[in-house]
Amino acid sequence: EVQLVESGGGLVQPGGSLRLSCVASGFTLSSYWVTWVRQAPGKGLECVANINQDGTEKHYVDSVKGRFTISRDNAKNSLYLQMNSLRAEDTAVYYCARIVVLGATNRYLDYWGQGTLVTVSS
Amino acid sequence: SYELTQPPSVSVSPGQTASMTCFGDKLEDKYASWYQQRPGQSPVLVIYKNNMRPSGIPERFSGSNSGNTATLTISGTQAMDEADYYCQAWDSSTVFFGGGTKLTVL
Repeated sequence: EVQLVESGGGLVQPGGSLRLSCVASGFTLSSYWVTWVRQAPGKGLECVANINQDGTEKHYVDSVKGRFTISRDNAKNSLYLQMNSLRAEDTAVYYCARIVVLGATNRYLDYWGQGTLVTVSS
Repeated sequence: SYELTQPPSVSVSPGQTASMTCFGDKLEDKYASWYQQRPGQSPVLVIYKNNMRPSGIPERFSGSNSGNTATLTISGTQAMDEADYYCQAWDSSTVFFGGGTKLTVL
């Protein structure tokens, strides 16, 4: 059974840092692009960052560039999101998800974790 | 940046057909996917590659994509289908989501 389990969320002060982890099981993480998607309270979904199979290609939404870093350790079947200089507007549930690649413009997220809540507040 | 626009809400009576749209520039040149999110739960993929259903998704869910508009259709809508629905496309190496449509089954 494919599973993604996030951890590392919590309450942090503005300007602080947090590192999220996502452990995959039931499949070989190294075969997939993966992504972090967040959802602010009462709001929609936003892709924060994604990374290719060997970690050589990374993409970020403009609002987190220079503050967040996505990485992976395929040997540990794990995905990470290092979040620095956190702001109130980063408050959200953060999901990790697996990306299926069928073509240059045909990609979708077939499995999602349960999410971990990040709250940025003083 | 690629923008996907969805109506905020759609209402439907039980047993009727619900249609939800997703507008994006030249969306037919990409592939649309759809996700269902019930309150307090993670999103679930219900349609990929415009009109394909993953294993376990009921046949009443269908999709299409033409011109600038992708459509998710639920035939014979049930109370359990009440949820938020998000369309998604891939552009410039990034995942883009629409703002979501809240489906209410009255």
